[in-house]
Amino acid sequence: GAGVSQSPSNKVTEKGKDVELRCDPISGHTALYWYRQRLGQGLEFLIYFQGNSAPDKSGLPSDRFSAERTGESVSTLTIQRTQQEDSAVYLCASSLQASYNEQFFGPGTRLTVL
Amino acid sequence: GNSVTQMEGPVTLSEEAFLTINCTYTATGYPSLFWYVQYPGEGLQLLLKATKADDKGSNKGFEATYRKETTSFHLEKGSVQVSDSAVYFCALSRETSGSRLTFGEGTQLTVNP
Repeated sequence: GAGVSQSPSNKVTEKGKDVELRCDPISGHTALYWYRQRLGQGLEFLIYFQGNSAPDKSGLPSDRFSAERTGESVSTLTIQRTQQEDSAVYLCASSLQASYNEQFFGPGTRLTVL
Repeated sequence: GNSVTQMEGPVTLSEEAFLTINCTYTATGYPSLFWYVQYPGEGLQLLLKATKADDKGSNKGFEATYRKETTSFHLEKGSVQVSDSAVYFCALSRETSGSRLTFGEGTQLTVNP
């Protein structure tokens, strides 16, 4: 079946602009996660959604970052007033439920802020 | 808080050499432990996992044993192949944190023929 998909695959933007990144999880997966991978570093957790529960936003680095999810489907990560330090690969993952051990990752969106 | 420390890379080996990538963790309670792999140009994928102490995860010739006494989950393979060249990430999760993953910084492995 289809895996996790993300769009766009690459995004180049100017400092100060807003960007929106999209994630389509695997159908039926109730848990969805966003991570960020800066160059040469490991992945850092940003936010996760589990069904209709309130999302865990504890990993968001600033109030310029926000994310939404419609039911158990598509999620969008929005970064307002982008800064150069926001340049990274943004990865989305989904799993059957938050207590399930395996997360399936999308290919990521590479964001470059000039 | 939770953290994962991985052996620094990059690691370069010849084909058929023995591989060890060290991973230690800090966490309260009983985390699940994982190794993820990222092949060139591909997305991150689960390589193996272990959910409790003394469990051994294995896949594609790779193995790792959950050692609670040393808080370690070292990755090993007896004979590496060129196709094993990739970045390897050690990670942990705790169900009480929604199973979000805490990753190490990754180890780049290059296997030469």
